[in-house]
Amino acid sequence: KAGVTQTPRYLIKTRGQQVTLSCSPISGHRSVSWYQQTPGQGLQFLFEYFSETQRNKGNFPGRFSGRQFSNSRSEMNVSTLELGDSALYLCASSLRRTGAYEQYFGPGTRLTVT
Amino acid sequence: AQSVAQPEDQVNVAEGNPLTVKCTYSVSGNPYLFWYVQYPNRGLQFLLKYITGDNLVKGSYGFEAEFNKSQTSFHLKKPSALVSDSALYFCAVRDENYGQNFVFGPGTRLSVLP
Repeated sequence: KAGVTQTPRYLIKTRGQQVTLSCSPISGHRSVSWYQQTPGQGLQFLFEYFSETQRNKGNFPGRFSGRQFSNSRSEMNVSTLELGDSALYLCASSLRRTGAYEQYFGPGTRLTVT
Repeated sequence: AQSVAQPEDQVNVAEGNPLTVKCTYSVSGNPYLFWYVQYPNRGLQFLLKYITGDNLVKGSYGFEAEFNKSQTSFHLKKPSALVSDSALYFCAVRDENYGQNFVFGPGTRLSVLP
C-alpha cells in the first residue's frame, strides 16, 4: 500500500504570496490532519478533515485554511505569507478519526518564505 | 485538556547500551499513547502504541514502551542502542473521548555514540 504523499516537497515563496499544499492519504484512510513543524514551536496541530468536513482546528490565524475532497485528498492554503510561516508542513492520515488508530505521516512540504 | 511532556531535550547513549526516552502525559479520560520517530528531512514514522491491556508494548526496530498509569508515564526503551537509532522521538497522546485530536510532545533528540 502506498504511503501518504505530499506535494510539492520543497517550496520557496515571497512574503505576501499565497501557497497551496497537497496531501494524498493512504488508500482507505478518511481522516487527514495537518501539522506545522518548526524548531522553536515543535509540532503544532493545524486542522483535521474527515468526510470533507473540518472536524478540529488548532490555534492558527484565518490565513491558514484547508479542504478535503470526496476521494479524501486534502489541500491546505496559506494566504498572505509571513516570514514566520517558514516551516515543515506535515500531513497525516488515519483510518478513523477517533480511538486508538495511529496516524501515518507524509514526508512533508518544506516551505521557505523570503 | 491533553498534554504531553518529554522532560529531556537530548539523550546521549553509547552504542550497545540500553536507552530510555521519557514521556509523561495528562488526559481527562483513558489515554491512547503513541511513539513516533523522525529522521532528518523525513516525516514521522509510527513506532508503537498503547491502547489497553499489557503495560509493556513492543514495536518496530526492537523498541518497546512501558505504560505506567500511576505515574502517567509512557517511556520508550530499547535494550541495545544502535547508531542508526539516532533521531528525533515524539510521544503523543489521544484522549479516548470522541473528537480529540493528537497532542504531541516537544520531542527528544537521541544521539547514539559509536
